[in-house]
Order: sequence, then structure tokens, then C-alpha cells
Amino acid sequence: EDQVTQSPEALRLQEGESSSLNCSYTVSGLRGLFWYRQDPGKGPEFLFTLYSAGEEKEKERLKATLTKKESFLHITAPKPEDSATYLCAVQPVPGSARQLTFGSGTQLTVLP
Amino acid sequence: DAGVTQSPTHLIKTRGQHVTLRCSPISGHKSVSWYQQVLGQGPQFIFQYYEKEERGRGNFPDRFSARQFPNYSSELNVNALLLGDSALYLCASMIQETQYFGPGTRLLVL
Repeated sequence: EDQVTQSPEALRLQEGESSSLNCSYTVSGLRGLFWYRQDPGKGPEFLFTLYSAGEEKEKERLKATLTKKESFLHITAPKPEDSATYLCAVQPVPGSARQLTFGSGTQLTVLP
Repeated sequence: DAGVTQSPTHLIKTRGQHVTLRCSPISGHKSVSWYQQVLGQGPQFIFQYYEKEERGRGNFPDRFSARQFPNYSSELNVNALLLGDSALYLCASMIQETQYFGPGTRLLVL
């Protein structure tokens, strides 16, 4: 069974204090790993897709990396507007459905 | 460009009732997926449709059903509502393996 575990559950940072969020996954075969940002009461907002180990993607203060067992979302010099829940999801290879299996998310709070 | 739209935004129902949620995908997207998100958890896959055919179903009871129309919009139906069906219901449209989510419908079952 596909499984995604995110840590920590919650993270409080001071503005400018860099850190990393972890996403560990277990799948029979990985089609892709996705990172989303979700603000309270809203739908997830797409950030990145990673397809193979060693791949990296960057967007503003965010950088996502992928290994064969986990992915990291690095946040450099965060600002209060980066406060949100960050969700990791995997899309397995077998089957025609492109379903995503999500972790429970990391709730990030950036204090001014 | 308009993103994924969902209606209604909020809904209150009582146990045993039926509910229909609606979703319009991003223009040009032919695949729609439905997810249920309970407070404090990640979204859980319910259904995926592509070109009006069901391509996948998650571990949900038969009370949940869905369909996709010729214009690629979709409906999610839930019968015999239970208190545990209270959640944010998300619709996502997909293109090139990436799913883009709508704002969701918040369902409260009393």
C-alpha cells in the first residue's frame, strides 16, 4: 500500500530563519511526487512535480529535492506570507488512474 | 484563465439526506478527480474520470457516486449522509500529469 509521511507536523520559524520539510514515501513504483501549498479553507495550490531521484525544482524561496525514499522542501529566508500547510503527494506507476496519495501535511507558521 | 470552479462553496445537510456537488475543470482539461479532506488530514482520493469514463475509485462506500458530462464538468453525489461525511470536498482537473485543485465545497452534516 502506498504511504506518505510528512514531518514535522507543525513548524514555527522566525522570518528569515531557513528550514526544511520532510516527505517520506513508500510506493511500488513512482510516477511523480508533488508538492502543494494549502491556505486555510482553500484548495491546494500546485508548487512542484519531481519525477526522478536527484531532481531539484526551485520557485522563489522554495526548493524541492527528491531521493528514492524521500523528498525535502527547503524554505530559504521565509516571510510571513509563506505561512501555510504544505502537502506532499505521490502518484504511483501502476494503473490508468492518476490518483494522488497525500501525506497529512506540515503546518508552517512564519513569525514576523 | 479561470481555474477549477466548484459549487456550492458551503453546504449544511442533515443525516440521511442526499447531496450533489458540482465541478467545472480548467478549459481544455478532460480529466476530473474528486478528493475528500477531513480537518487536519491530507486529501483522500474518491474518483477519477477521463472522457466521461471512470478511471479509478478510492476506498469509499457505494453511497458515493460521480459522473462526468460531455463538457467535462462533473458531479459528485453522496447518498444517506453520515456525520463522518463532513469534510472539504475537492475537485481537481489534470493536464500533463499535474492536478490543479478548485477551492472546494465545505459540507457539514448535522
